[in-house]
Amino acid sequence: AQTVTQSQPEMSVQEAETVTLSCTYDTSESDYYLFWYKQPPSRQMILVIRQEAYKQQNATENRFSVNFQKAAKSFSLKISDSQLGDAAMYFCAYLDNYGQNFVFGPGTRLSVLP
Amino acid sequence: EAQVTQNPRYLITVTGKKLTVTCSQNMNHEYMSWYRQDPGLGLRQIYYSMNVEVTDKGDVPEGYKVSRKEKRNFPLILESPSPNQTSLYFCASSFNVQGATYEQYFGPGTRLTVT
Repeated sequence: AQTVTQSQPEMSVQEAETVTLSCTYDTSESDYYLFWYKQPPSRQMILVIRQEAYKQQNATENRFSVNFQKAAKSFSLKISDSQLGDAAMYFCAYLDNYGQNFVFGPGTRLSVLP
Repeated sequence: EAQVTQNPRYLITVTGKKLTVTCSQNMNHEYMSWYRQDPGLGLRQIYYSMNVEVTDKGDVPEGYKVSRKEKRNFPLILESPSPNQTSLYFCASSFNVQGATYEQYFGPGTRLTVT
């Protein structure tokens, strides 16, 4: 079974600085999808960024970018120019190519310090 | 507005009293899923449905039932709730077209407490 690991239960970053959240996963598949979701105090799950495993280019969405290392099964999220509104729980997630098995990591709580 | 709705948002019940949490989406999504979120464990998949009348177990299906009679609705049923089912529950949906799957859209969550 696939597993997703986030080794940093909590992280903090100074406002306007850059922070990287780590995620590793385990799978025997070659095609799959990876996601980062943000959960602010409102508890709503918000998609931050998505990566298809067959794409070598790292996904980018404004201040958010990923470092996808397929061979190492690593999928880290970099947040640049951190803002107070970025404070939230961040979940890394894996989805198999059949769209059936969606597996989440335990989450990393990010604090942004003014 | 495209959205996934869940009801109720909050529920306190007693052990053994059957309950249903409803989930509805207005995006014509094929795929729907239920998750529970517990501290330190992230979200764990309970059941999912690839389309009408097609459901399958996720990682933690014990104590739960689902049905998918209509494309837009995917209710979660707890026949005999127990305290270990106290959790935050999320419903989600997404497109799944010819093997290509897209990101999931989540409902607002249902906070369930079983005493």
